[in-house]
Amino acid sequence: QKEVEQDPGPLSVPEGAIVSLNCTYSNSAFQYFMWYRQYSRKGPELLMYTYSSGNKEDGRFTAQVDKSSKYISLFIRDSQPSDSATYLCAMSLEGTYKYIFGTGTRLKVLA
Amino acid sequence: DADVTQTPRNRITKTGKRIMLECSQTKGHDRMYWYRQDPGLGLQLIYYSFDVKDINKGEISDGYSVSRQAQAKFSLSLESAIPNQTALYFCATSDSGTGTSNTQYFGPGTRLTVL
Repeated sequence: QKEVEQDPGPLSVPEGAIVSLNCTYSNSAFQYFMWYRQYSRKGPELLMYTYSSGNKEDGRFTAQVDKSSKYISLFIRDSQPSDSATYLCAMSLEGTYKYIFGTGTRLKVLA
Repeated sequence: DADVTQTPRNRITKTGKRIMLECSQTKGHDRMYWYRQDPGLGLQLIYYSFDVKDINKGEISDGYSVSRQAQAKFSLSLESAIPNQTALYFCATSDSGTGTSNTQYFGPGTRLTVL
């Protein structure tokens, strides 16, 4: 079993839809949770970063961490065609350099 | 200008050739990383460096070597390229001064094809 599991998709939604992207993990010691967006032929770009549990909101994006269920989510409201990309989750332990990445979910927002 | 740059952006080479991929950053970060990305496998850490004199192997270092020429420069070499090293390669940086968060920032990537 991988430490971090992420459905590869593709996930296709119509423009304006609410998108839910998810990762599950097995190591209960993870404390930092990141979401990266990666456009085709580009490097991953940091979208959201959350420490421990709870929610974090930034514009149309909301990141949620449920440590009891070992489950993290990224919600995108009012999705746009420009949101079409691969979304990677990443996690790390307190005070370490090492990131564990999910394999990424490919999202397509249809105009 | 981009904070993290990688050269070349694309490279096609033959089995057995020596290849160097270069990474430069203007973010002033002390930590630098090399990852490879393969479809279905996500990002895997090859090498990382916490400063010029501190270089460490990651998960998949076999067949690779690195050099940290300065705080801002970190190069990855494939001594004798083989076809299963065909992948996307990313450089990343982070700042130890941010405490334990270690948020990593990625370059645009190098697409390497080994024939």
